[in-house]
Amino acid sequence: DGGITQSPKYLFRKEGQNVTLSCEQNLNHDAMYWYRQDPGQGLRLIYYSQIVNDFQKGDIAEGYSVSREKKESFPLTVTSAQKNPTAFYLCASSIDYRRNTGELFFGEGSRLTVL
Amino acid sequence: AQSVAQPEDQVNVAEGNPLTVKCTYSVSGNPYLFWYVQYPNRGLQFLLKYITGDNLVKGSYGFEAEFNKSQTSFHLKKPSALVSDSALYFCAVRDITWDSGYSTLTFGKGTMLLVSP
Repeated sequence: DGGITQSPKYLFRKEGQNVTLSCEQNLNHDAMYWYRQDPGQGLRLIYYSQIVNDFQKGDIAEGYSVSREKKESFPLTVTSAQKNPTAFYLCASSIDYRRNTGELFFGEGSRLTVL
Repeated sequence: AQSVAQPEDQVNVAEGNPLTVKCTYSVSGNPYLFWYVQYPNRGLQFLLKYITGDNLVKGSYGFEAEFNKSQTSFHLKKPSALVSDSALYFCAVRDITWDSGYSTLTFGKGTMLLVSP
C-alpha cells in the first residue's frame, strides 16, 4: 500500500539535544512538507520541498533543518535552537507542486516531548 | 496573504441531527478550498475540496461543503451525524492566483466536533 511513513511515533529528548524525525513516502510525489501542530493553533508550516535537492522555509523554520536528497525522503531535524520543540509533527506530500489543485496526503505524525 | 478562520472551537450535535462546521477564508485571488479530519493522535485525512464548478461539493463519509464566494465561506455539512464523526476538523485554503510563486496550503485552527449518542 502506498503512503507516508513517519518514525518514530513517540520521541523523548533532553534539552540541548538535536533529534531527527523521519518521513518516507512511496507515492511518487514531488512535493513534501513538514507541519507542526500545537493544541488550539492548527497546523503551521515548517519547511517544504517542491522537488529533490530543493526546499523552502515555511512560517516557523527557526530552529529546524531539513534535507531532500531523495524523492522519497524528507527528514526533519529539530535542533537545540528550537525554543519550544514539544509538539506533534506531521509530514505530508502532494503529487506535483505545479498542480495547485492537489490535496495533501499526511503521515500518522511524530510526537516529540522535551524533558 | 491568505488566511482561514474557523470561528467555533467546538461544535456539539446529537446523533442523527444535521451538522455544520463553519469556515471562512481570505485570499487576494481565487481560492482552492479543502476540508480534512483528524482523529486523536493520527494524521489528517482528506475529506473534500473545491477547485471550480458546482458550489456544492460532495466528499467522503457523507460529508459535503458549500462554497459561497460572496460570503467567502466554505462550511462543512452532513445531513445526519454519527457518533463516529466525532473528531477535529480543519479547513484549508490555497490562493491560486498568488503570482509570487508556489502557494502552500494555509490551515485554520480546527473545530472539534462532538456527536452525542
